[in-house]
Amino acid sequence: GAVVSQHPSWVICKSGTSVKIECRSLDFQATTMFWYRQFPKQSLMLMATSNEGSKATYEQGVEKDKFLINHASLTLSTLTVTSAHPEDSSFYICSARQSHSNQPQHFGDGTRLSIL
Amino acid sequence: AQKITQTQPGMFVQEKEAVTLDCTYDTSDQSYGLFWYKQPSSGEMIFLIYQGSYDEQNATEGRYSLNFQKARKSANLVISASQLGDSAMYFCAMREGLGGSQGNLIFGKGTKLSVKP
Repeated sequence: GAVVSQHPSWVICKSGTSVKIECRSLDFQATTMFWYRQFPKQSLMLMATSNEGSKATYEQGVEKDKFLINHASLTLSTLTVTSAHPEDSSFYICSARQSHSNQPQHFGDGTRLSIL
Repeated sequence: AQKITQTQPGMFVQEKEAVTLDCTYDTSDQSYGLFWYKQPSSGEMIFLIYQGSYDEQNATEGRYSLNFQKARKSANLVISASQLGDSAMYFCAMREGLGGSQGNLIFGKGTKLSVKP
């Protein structure tokens, strides 16, 4: 089945650091990727929709200058948490689906981000 | 109003028995897709089963089946012959619109399933 790779799986860093998370579709092309955030014991909340070759679409309440998204190719989207603070600590997970398809979204394994 | 409602925060089931996880949805679209995902404690989201709004047959995938009742807007997941490895969070999700649209997933709050030996 379709595979989505997310890297890194775990990050611990100091407050003020910027952290980049990569999401790759390994065996299919994804014009659209999605970035979610999940707090402990809660559901996934969509942060933004990443579109290849164009600007990302952010959900209400998500700061686009804080969470920079770059979808440079059909297989790679990156999320950069800029000047991270402890309140940004969370589980970030990306997903991708094949273009123009009813196929399900396939998720990366997620990134646990801890800001000290 | 919530688009996806999972009313069971937690469920217990005896090993080898069947269990039903409830999910109701709310949409005015005629075309939509319903999904179930499993999230173990390690965090990854594992796709289990899909039901399209126009599918007349209930979806089945191995031990998983989806009890789709369109008029009631429910899409319950049935797991037969539960195994200890089935213990996890289960999320119901919906994607509105046609397959060609961007259609992000809307998730329910999840049900934590615990399988007892």
